[in-house]
Amino acid sequence: GQSLEQPSEVTAVEGAIVQINCTYQTSGFYGLSWYQQHDGGAPTFLSYNALDGLEETGRFSSFLSRSDSYGYLLLQELQMKDSASYFCASYGGATNKLIFGTGTLLAVQP
Amino acid sequence: EPEVTQTPSHQVTQMGQEVILRCVPISNHLYFYWYRQILGQKVEFLVSFYNNEISEKSEIFDDQFSVERPDGSNFTLKIRSTKLEDSAMYFCASSDGQGAYGYTFGSGTRLTVV
Repeated sequence: GQSLEQPSEVTAVEGAIVQINCTYQTSGFYGLSWYQQHDGGAPTFLSYNALDGLEETGRFSSFLSRSDSYGYLLLQELQMKDSASYFCASYGGATNKLIFGTGTLLAVQP
Repeated sequence: EPEVTQTPSHQVTQMGQEVILRCVPISNHLYFYWYRQILGQKVEFLVSFYNNEISEKSEIFDDQFSVERPDGSNFTLKIRSTKLEDSAMYFCASSDGQGAYGYTFGSGTRLTVV
């Protein structure tokens, strides 16, 4: 089967750096996406890695290692508004579907 | 910025009733999807739709589910004879097929089966 595993919860303080890990076992893998979701709202695209290495987008960076079937999302200079759920998702397959990870609830504290 | 629009935002229905969830994808997108998220759980793929037919479906998408693109703009998910366990958030998404960057989700329909 296909699975993407993430830590269920992470807590950090404002201004800190936090890393959310994702390990995956999927077929038809093109790359790894990351999504943010506030209170059950629409998943919002953050980042995508098609190749191994680091992708940086402002305060957010994402990393992929295909050989290790592993990726992470790095959030820097945490703000209260970053409190949300974060999902990794494998992108690919014949129809370019997304298979989502188990999700990580990030709580940012003052 | 183009949006995927879903209606209604919230629907309450009695067990055994049929519901239709509606979506208007981004106009120049060619690939359409439905996903489901049971409260507190991960987002799950249901079905993908391309060229007016289902291109892939998950094991969740059984005979009680159907999808349709009745005209050039709408994309619907029908659930026949709803069950309590169908209560979830249903997200529509569309893609231009050019990669992960072109994937956009709607704001979802919260379905409550009572």
